[in-house]
Amino acid sequence: EVQLVESGGGLVQPGGSLRLSCAASGFTFSSYWMSWVRQAPGKGLEWVANIKQDGSEKYYVDSVKGRFTISRDNAKNSLYLQMNSLRAEDTAVYYCARIIYSTDPDLFFDLWGRGTLVTVSS
Amino acid sequence: SYVLTQPPSVSVAPGKTARITCGGNNIGSKSVHWYQQKPGQAPVLVIYYDSDRPSGIPERFSGSNSGNTATLTISRVEAGDEADYYCQVWDSSSDPRGVFGGGTKLTVL
Repeated sequence: EVQLVESGGGLVQPGGSLRLSCAASGFTFSSYWMSWVRQAPGKGLEWVANIKQDGSEKYYVDSVKGRFTISRDNAKNSLYLQMNSLRAEDTAVYYCARIIYSTDPDLFFDLWGRGTLVTVSS
Repeated sequence: SYVLTQPPSVSVAPGKTARITCGGNNIGSKSVHWYQQKPGQAPVLVIYYDSDRPSGIPERFSGSNSGNTATLTISRVEAGDEADYYCQVWDSSSDPRGVFGGGTKLTVL
C-alpha cells in the first residue's frame, strides 16, 4: 500500500527541540521530492519545507528558516524534520507529503500522511 | 510574497453546483492545485494543473483558471462533499515557496 506515516510529535516547552519522522512505503521514495506541511489548530494549511530527491536542494518558509532542518534517508525510505528553538506558534499538526514536481518549475502534493501533532507549551 | 484569497465559506443545496474561487495576482499564469480536507483527516488532492483530476476523484469536480481567479466547481453536490477546500500554487520567485489559500468551508444545506 502506498502510504506515508508520520511520528515524533508531542508536547515540548518553548525553546525546545523535536525531530519528526515520516516513513514512506509502497513507492520508490528516492524518486520524489518530499515536503512538510503544517496546520495550526482550527487554521489553514501552511507549507513548511521541501527537499529534492538527493537532498541537494531545500526550501523553507521564512518563519522556520534557521530553526528547522528538513532531511531524508533514502536507504531507510524516511523523511525528517528537525525542529529547534520551538515557539508557541509552531503548534500544529505536521503532515508529510509527496511532491509531484515539474520543470516549469511547479509542484503539488499528491500523497499525504495522517499527520503528527506538535504542541509547544510550558 | 504571493497571496491567494479564498472566501471563508460557501453554501449550496444538494444537487446544485458549488463554485469556490481562489484569487491571486495574474494567477492565470500559474498552475493551481486544489485539496479537499474533511474534519480530522489529511488533505486529498482533487484537482491539479488547474483542471486535471486524479484517479478516483469524481467527474463532478472540475477546475478552471484565468486572469486573476481560479475556480473549483463541484457539480451535483452531495452531502459527502462537505469539507474545507484549499487552493495552492508554487511561487517560483527568487525565494521559492509553497502558497496555500486560506481555505473555504463548503456547507451542504
